[in-house]
Amino acid sequence: DTEVTQTPKHLVMGMTNKKSLKCEQHMGHRAMYWYKQKAKKPPELMFVYSYEKLSINESVPSRFSPECPNSSLLNLHLHALQPEDSALYLCASSQEILRVYEQYFGPGTRLTVT
Amino acid sequence: GQQLNQSPQSMFIQEGEDVSMNCTSSSIFNTWLWYKQDPGEGPVLLIALYKAGELTSNGRLTAQFGITRKDSFLNISASIPSDVGIYFCAGYANAGGTSYGKLTFGQGTILTVHP
Repeated sequence: DTEVTQTPKHLVMGMTNKKSLKCEQHMGHRAMYWYKQKAKKPPELMFVYSYEKLSINESVPSRFSPECPNSSLLNLHLHALQPEDSALYLCASSQEILRVYEQYFGPGTRLTVT
Repeated sequence: GQQLNQSPQSMFIQEGEDVSMNCTSSSIFNTWLWYKQDPGEGPVLLIALYKAGELTSNGRLTAQFGITRKDSFLNISASIPSDVGIYFCAGYANAGGTSYGKLTFGQGTILTVHP
């Protein structure tokens, strides 16, 4: 089973709202990722967690706050977003950070900031 | 930073035709991955390549890891309408340090298949 699930599928939020995106995998993977993707562009890495610790932050604005409660779950907390943050947010997982060969992506959350 | 040049940017083909796309880089990569993304969905891993010269098939898909480790290609034979989507190559350099965990993506090839 190579499934990564994400909720919600769609999210519309105002610039003053606080919301969270959720990601779950049950493949026993120890590395999890958040990506941002604009239409017809490749995914852009935001954060990497390895063994539940933040390993990489690609200079993402603080209005995005990741959290890894356990090895199966990854959250992305959103606060005071801007319209330009509207995008498809993808979660991915892989066996571990040193064997990142195969990253498996979830279906994504389509975020619209109004 | 590392970059992958993926071509062509888009392709318009007739059903039944074969398709070829490739990625090149000025840097060496240790792993090549090919993904397909349908509209509104996440990328789906098609093929993973780990060794220079490796040729791997997955149904009608065939991909190769270039001997120089700086390129890879993906072929789709006898295309069908459900092959429509965006195809991304991705490479992992395993350069250590801050490169761990980072895939470099190509810009994507948009494939349209006319019935």
